[in-house]
Parts: sequence; C-alpha cells; structure tokens
Amino acid sequence: DVKVTQSSRYLVKRTGEKVFLECVQDMDHENMFWYRQDPGLGLRLIYFSYDVKMKEKGDIPEGYSVSREKKERFSLILESASTNQTSMYLCASSSPRGYTNTEAFFGQGTRLTVV
Amino acid sequence: QQQVKQSPQSLIVQKGGISIINCAYENTAFDYFPWYQQFPGKGPALLIAIRPDVSEKKEGRFTISFNKSAKQFSLHIMDSQPGDSATYFCAASVTGNTPLVFGKGTRLSVIA
Repeated sequence: DVKVTQSSRYLVKRTGEKVFLECVQDMDHENMFWYRQDPGLGLRLIYFSYDVKMKEKGDIPEGYSVSREKKERFSLILESASTNQTSMYLCASSSPRGYTNTEAFFGQGTRLTVV
Repeated sequence: QQQVKQSPQSLIVQKGGISIINCAYENTAFDYFPWYQQFPGKGPALLIAIRPDVSEKKEGRFTISFNKSAKQFSLHIMDSQPGDSATYFCAASVTGNTPLVFGKGTRLSVIA
C-alpha cells in the first residue's frame, strides 16, 4: 500500500519560531509537493521538487523554504512562523515523468497553529 | 489568476439523488483532469480522472463529463449516499512534470 507520511498531525508553534514539517514517501517517487489548504481557498502549491536537491517555487512560496536531501524525504521550513501561516499543510508525491500516471498521493496533513 | 474554477462551494443532496460539481479551466494545454475526494481528517485521494481524448469516463456511481470546446468538466455522483459526504476537488495539469492546479473545493453533504 502506497504511503506518504507526515511527521506530525498537529503542531502548535509560537510566532517567530523556525518550524520544520517533514514528509516521507515509500513509493520511490521522484516528484514531491507541499500544499497548504485553507477553507474557501482550496489547495495552494507552496513548493515542489522533481529530484533530489532540486526545488521549484509554487504559487505561494513567500515565508517558506524546502529541503530535499534524499529522494524519499521532502521538508517544508517556515523560517519565522507567523500567525497567517496557521493552516493545514499537505505533502504529496507522484510517479516519475511519463504520460500514463500522474496521480498524486497525499499524506494526512499537518494542522499547524501559530500563536 | 485562478486557473481552475470550481462550483458550487457547497452542495446538499438527498440520499439517492444526483450530485453535480462543475469546473472550468483556462489553460488549453491542460491534458489531465482528476477529481480528488477528501474526508475530514484525511488527505485528498484520487477518485477518478480523465484525459481530453474522451468525453466521458465512468467508474461505478462516479462519472466525469468533459467538454473540451467549452473548457469545462464535471463530476456526477449517481445515487448519492451519506458516505459520499466529503470535500471534492477538481484539478488539472499538463502531462510531464507540472504540478496539479486545484479548484477551491466543494463540500458535499448527502442527507437521508
């Protein structure tokens, strides 16, 4: 059974803290993504990566960075957490380049509250 | 600019009825159109997907209808059940390695 695992289901952090959200996939997928989900706004792409040590900005990268040192692991970093970063964060992965399979598999999400 | 517009935002359907959710897209290069289903406390999961070489795809009670000229696609849930109550997202991407672009979601409630 395919699996994307996010290290925490719930996190509470203080304003100004540096926050790390971890994501691990066991499907040997090349592509990994970080989205945030907010009511009424859907899923918005923060960053994505198509290979180890590679990263691309998504639609809302401000205030975030990412790290991909190993193929299976993709970390989202909030450099200095702010209250407007309170949200549900979703990690996803998908299969290598190709026409037939672009399904994205999602983790269960990390609900982050910044106080 | 919102590339994928989804409506309605919320939907209440009687058990046994038909649920219909619509999406419209801007980018004519999109060639992959999935629908994701999300239950509370869970991540989204792929429900059904279509490519523009067909106008309809059916899997059980779920059907995608696709209108390339109108740049629209929709999800139909036949014989809706309370267990279908969830948030549904349409999405689109260009084959290759572009990330999925999601609509804003529709919260479906199926009432008995």
